[in-house]
Amino acid sequence: GEDVEQSLFLSVREGDSSVINCTYTDSSSTYLYWYKQEPGAGLQLLTYIFSNMDMKQDQRLTVLLNKKDKHLSLRIADTQTGDSAIYFCAERSADNTGKLIFGQGTTLQVKP
Amino acid sequence: DAGVTQSPTHLIKTRGQQVTLRCSPKSGHDTVSWYQQALGQGPQFIFQYYEEEERQRGNFPDRFSGHQFPNYSSELNVNALLLGDSALYLCASSRPTLYYEQYFGPGTRLTVT
Repeated sequence: GEDVEQSLFLSVREGDSSVINCTYTDSSSTYLYWYKQEPGAGLQLLTYIFSNMDMKQDQRLTVLLNKKDKHLSLRIADTQTGDSAIYFCAERSADNTGKLIFGQGTTLQVKP
Repeated sequence: DAGVTQSPTHLIKTRGQQVTLRCSPKSGHDTVSWYQQALGQGPQFIFQYYEEEERQRGNFPDRFSGHQFPNYSSELNVNALLLGDSALYLCASSRPTLYYEQYFGPGTRLTVT
């Protein structure tokens, strides 16, 4: 079946790197995503990675994909207080209709 | 370029009532998906509309129905509201060429009392 799991909470100091982890179950997923949700807001697409890639870098964000272990991570370099939010990992359903399956979200707290 | 817009922002309804939520996709996008996000949870897929047809449906009862209009905007209708329908309802849109990029609106917060 399709399932995505994330740790619930991460606390870091401003300026440190943050690493948010995610595991998924559907090995035929084609795309994996990271979304950010600030309080009271919708979801902001941060980045995504195609399943034939191992890594993708976009400014302060680095996504690592270990397809063998079905593990996805998001590294945020030089974490700022404005990065405090809930981060959702999602996989695109293998049936290719665009349905996204989300994890529960990881709350990132950045302390000054 | 306007992003995905949703209305209303907040809504309070009573059990047993019916509600209609609206979504306008990003310019150039033709596919609309609806998600329900309960408090403290990740979004759950309700259904997706493409070419005015429901293309796929998640594990939601028939009380949840939708519609897509020729201008690609969409409505989500929920009948016979239950307390458990209280949630943030999110709309996402995507475009034909980059169909794997889904952009979300700000959501409609529905409270059922």
